[in-house]
Amino acid sequence: DTAVSQTPKYLVTQMGNDKSIKCEQNLGHDTMYWYKQDSKKFLKIMFSYNNKELIINETVPNRFSPKSPDKAHLNLHINSLELGDSAVYFCASSQDWASGDPGELFFGEGSRLTVL
Amino acid sequence: QKEVEQNSGPLSVPEGAIASLNCTYSDRGSQSFFWYRQYSGKSPELIMSIYSNGDKEDGRFTAQLNKASQYVSLLIRDSQPSDSATYLCAVNGQAGTALIFGKGTTLSVSS
Repeated sequence: DTAVSQTPKYLVTQMGNDKSIKCEQNLGHDTMYWYKQDSKKFLKIMFSYNNKELIINETVPNRFSPKSPDKAHLNLHINSLELGDSAVYFCASSQDWASGDPGELFFGEGSRLTVL
Repeated sequence: QKEVEQNSGPLSVPEGAIASLNCTYSDRGSQSFFWYRQYSGKSPELIMSIYSNGDKEDGRFTAQLNKASQYVSLLIRDSQPSDSATYLCAVNGQAGTALIFGKGTTLSVSS
């Protein structure tokens, strides 16, 4: 069983379109994250949810809207896609956020978004 | 702005040599430190964590932490071609903050 699964793995779309990425974890973790990895491999935090509550919202355009229907799922919707949104988006989960140490992050396989 | 700095490399070492990867961080309040390995086209995976000053060894890997110098390193002994990957240093600060990653160092081990 895949611990953290993301769909789709690949998206190719035109500028201006809207797209969504879904993430599910079966580890029983309380905290989930979206990270963006650009072409230079820089992995940057976008959002984090703890038990369905948004706890981290970095400086991300309003076109990006995360949603967590329950603590095992975290989705990312992107409106009006731009060329600069092309990247690999990683979902991750961790067990213990409350103590201040996220401990080990478990990453999904990533969703490679290409905006043409 | 909290930052984690790494040399991007590539760092090239021959098989069997020791690879030394370095990382500095800006937030003096940081409490937890991690090394992740990422193979090309794959997701990052945790290989070492360290919380206290000094050395921590796990097999061929040794993590070193010096909080006074705000410096973390990873040594890989007896490097193997399978160690060729990008190594990401990650630092966690105060409660409620996410892991901050460095830009990674690409290691190439030649046989």
